[in-house]
Amino acid sequence: ETGVTQSPTHLIKTRGQQVTLRCSSQSGHNTVSWYQQALGQGPQFIFQYYREEENGRGNFPPRFSGLQFPNYSSELNVNALELDDSALYLCASSFLTSGSKSHEQYFGPGTRLTVT
Amino acid sequence: AQTVTQSQPEMSVQEAETVTLSCTYDTSENNYYLFWYKQPPSRQMILVIRQEAYKQQNATENRFSVNFQKAAKSFSLKISDSQLGDTAMYFCAGGTSYGKLTFGQGTILTVHP
Repeated sequence: ETGVTQSPTHLIKTRGQQVTLRCSSQSGHNTVSWYQQALGQGPQFIFQYYREEENGRGNFPPRFSGLQFPNYSSELNVNALELDDSALYLCASSFLTSGSKSHEQYFGPGTRLTVT
Repeated sequence: AQTVTQSQPEMSVQEAETVTLSCTYDTSENNYYLFWYKQPPSRQMILVIRQEAYKQQNATENRFSVNFQKAAKSFSLKISDSQLGDTAMYFCAGGTSYGKLTFGQGTILTVHP
């Protein structure tokens, strides 16, 4: 069984640039959630993708967007980067069915984004 | 809406002893799950234990157990026979509908030899 993988591991960008982070879900999972974790804080929910559509969103501006592909992998895109976007970005995969409630999410190792 | 609060920023314990990490939560959901995650310095978030709110029996996973007090909205984690490898940041999290997780601020646990 393959776990959740993320790429790249580290990334340095300049304010105003755009960035794309990638996530491959664990085999057998159909849902990907993205979280932002500032240094020393708990992760904050950005959004979730299920069946290639956004399935819930946290309190993040529209410049945070995402995609899910038919193989359930996902991308997180952030436009017009700001200094406060510097954080660890975590991807988590899970298996969700219609009408199901909360379920375990399995996390990848994260991408450390630094905006200068 | 859901909130999760961890009031202990740091805890320490001697190897082989027992430690309890506290967590309180608030939610408007009727059906929800609660989780404890561990994040070592390597930063990979690892699921430690989960509790389904409709189950009265407290969850147990080897050396890890929870004390789930639904009326008090309390969900503490007990680690027995602490090991050096238990040193990590521990997060309490609540799962709402469609699986969004709300995390607490975390507790840094250090196990001393």
